[in-house]
Amino acid sequence: AQKITQTQPGMFVQEKEAVTLDCTYDTSDQSYGLFWYKQPSSGEMIFLIYQGSYDEQNATEGRYSLNFQKARKSANLVISASQLGDSAMYFCAMREEAWGAGSYQLTFGKGTKLSVIP
Amino acid sequence: AAGVIQSPRHLIKEKRETATLKCYPIPRHDTVYWYQQGPGQDPQFLISFYEKMQSDKGSIPDRFSAQQFSDYHSELNMSSLELGDSALYFCASSSEMTGGSFIGYEQFFGPGTRLTVL
Repeated sequence: AQKITQTQPGMFVQEKEAVTLDCTYDTSDQSYGLFWYKQPSSGEMIFLIYQGSYDEQNATEGRYSLNFQKARKSANLVISASQLGDSAMYFCAMREEAWGAGSYQLTFGKGTKLSVIP
Repeated sequence: AAGVIQSPRHLIKEKRETATLKCYPIPRHDTVYWYQQGPGQDPQFLISFYEKMQSDKGSIPDRFSAQQFSDYHSELNMSSLELGDSALYFCASSSEMTGGSFIGYEQFFGPGTRLTVL
């Protein structure tokens, strides 16, 4: 079974500063993927960034980077130069990625609500 | 680019009524996932389909059923609705046969259907 833990229910960050959202995971799978999604108050789930368990380099997508520490089983999201539009709920998620697994559904953490202060 | 379409976007029902939620995946995507997100909760996997066959089942109540049709659209049927069924229902689609990298298996989420049971 997979489990995602996000220990920060809420975070505040000053506009233009960087912020790190924590995510730890637990799985017995050898091959897995880690995701971060953003959910604004409007409700849609917006994909931000992906890290495969065998990727040696940390993933980056614009202002988003994923700090992947496999031995610690952590996949923290770093947002640089925060903007007011970054205020939203952020979910860390994972899935098994073994070929032939049959289904690749996501397991989500409880989320972190980020508020960007002007 | 075409996205996942869900209809209706909002639905209000009375207890014990039935509801049908529809999902139209991205063209050429062969896999559909359904997730349920209760108020203030993380999304929970309900059920998935690959090539019109059920591929996995999560925490889906027996009162719910789903199927994927020949055109790959999917419907989630919910009967004997309860107050606790009030939630945001997401459909996500992916292409299981996209290349050899699991990056190709990213799940694209629809905007969700917000179901309110009174």
